[in-house]
Amino acid sequence: DAGITQSPRHKVTETGTPVTLRCHQTENHRYMYWYRQDPGHGLRLIHYSYGVKDTDKGEVSDGYSVSRSKTEDFLLTLESATSSQTSVYFCAIGDTGELFFGEGSRLTVL
Amino acid sequence: RKEVEQDPGPFNVPEGATVAFNCTYSNSASQSFFWYRQDCRKEPKLLMSVYSSGNEDGRFTAQLNRASQYISLLIRDSKLSDSATYLCVVIGFQKLVFGTGTRLLVSP
Repeated sequence: DAGITQSPRHKVTETGTPVTLRCHQTENHRYMYWYRQDPGHGLRLIHYSYGVKDTDKGEVSDGYSVSRSKTEDFLLTLESATSSQTSVYFCAIGDTGELFFGEGSRLTVL
Repeated sequence: RKEVEQDPGPFNVPEGATVAFNCTYSNSASQSFFWYRQDCRKEPKLLMSVYSSGNEDGRFTAQLNRASQYISLLIRDSKLSDSATYLCVVIGFQKLVFGTGTRLLVSP
């Protein structure tokens, strides 16, 4: 299995609070991604990175920011969490459709 | 029309059965196709790529029909452990789109 770890794995927070999810990889892969998965929507891309300090938006980027200061770490930040951001968040590495996912971070915003 | 569509199922089959499901896509310029498997409350895992000429990996066969714009996944001799949700992935214009998945339940 690809060395991808996400933290925290579970988090409950309140509306309006900031939240940061961390993705750590040991594969030295250039590309990293953050997805969210919701019933009826499948996996949707939030942001991705193609190198240190190189990031770009996905299809559902509003309300999220990312940072990548090291190859191995990709952080997803919700500046002010809302209930609509309750979801399961997956980090992934890879390219050309062959992606390897972390175990997911389940976020509940009350 | 959604970019990628899958029948959500569930497909309920007995052990040993053959089952197939499709994934349709709207972008005729789509270039690459994949199947992923996702167990309940787990992360998606790559099952197989889909090649133009079709390809097989053990009990699993993937096929592409460009004319009708769909890919298919056939599972022979179903096992209990095949119970999962199967996601298709379609890539076109450098955009990767996941289907919402088809749930398969294999019973004894």
